[in-house]
Amino acid sequence: NAGVTQTPKFRVLKTGQSMTLLCAQDMNHEYMYWYRQDPGMGLRLIHYSVGEGTTAKGEVPDGYNVSRLKKQNFLLGLESAAPSQTSVYFCASSSRSYNEQFFGPGTRLTVL
Amino acid sequence: AQSVAQPEDQVNVAEGNPLTVKCTYSVSGNPYLFWYVQYPNRGLQFLLKYITGDNLVKGSYGFEAEFNKSQTSFHLKKPSALVSDSALYFCAVGRSYNTDKLIFGTGTRLQVFP
Repeated sequence: NAGVTQTPKFRVLKTGQSMTLLCAQDMNHEYMYWYRQDPGMGLRLIHYSVGEGTTAKGEVPDGYNVSRLKKQNFLLGLESAAPSQTSVYFCASSSRSYNEQFFGPGTRLTVL
Repeated sequence: AQSVAQPEDQVNVAEGNPLTVKCTYSVSGNPYLFWYVQYPNRGLQFLLKYITGDNLVKGSYGFEAEFNKSQTSFHLKKPSALVSDSALYFCAVGRSYNTDKLIFGTGTRLQVFP
């Protein structure tokens, strides 16, 4: 039981490049989330999903897209990376919205 | 709109002393409240939550939190701090009738000195 895993762990991009971050969970959770963590700003919700095939915008969705084609996977895409997207990205999942969220180990992204 | 405030960037406490990490919230309707802990280079880990019922909630690693509706607070406490409690602590709030999303505070760094 791996819990929540994230791929890759580290990535360096140049401005304008694209990439996809993969989140996978093996707990059969309905809810999945993508956050970014920046110093002094805590965690901010980018996008989330309440079930397979659904996605919704969070607090800071601009510049990101997501897809939830399979229940266990939640993909976060950056179409044209910008330096402002340099951050640590965390994926999380939960069985119900009011239950605790389980977090992945994070992806450290640097955009030059 | 919902929001949560952690007024202290850092809390310093000596090992063996009681600790308190403060959290206040603003939400329409009844709140769902959570505390998470983050150790260096790791994801967040759940500590405890308040949904309804007893205002004193007990969680992992000896931590507890008290829900105070009149003061809109949910402070995290531990009677006797350990050096290993040193970490970043986050408070989060959701709304009882729409808990799809949580709003996290900016975090408080707890430093426990030997």
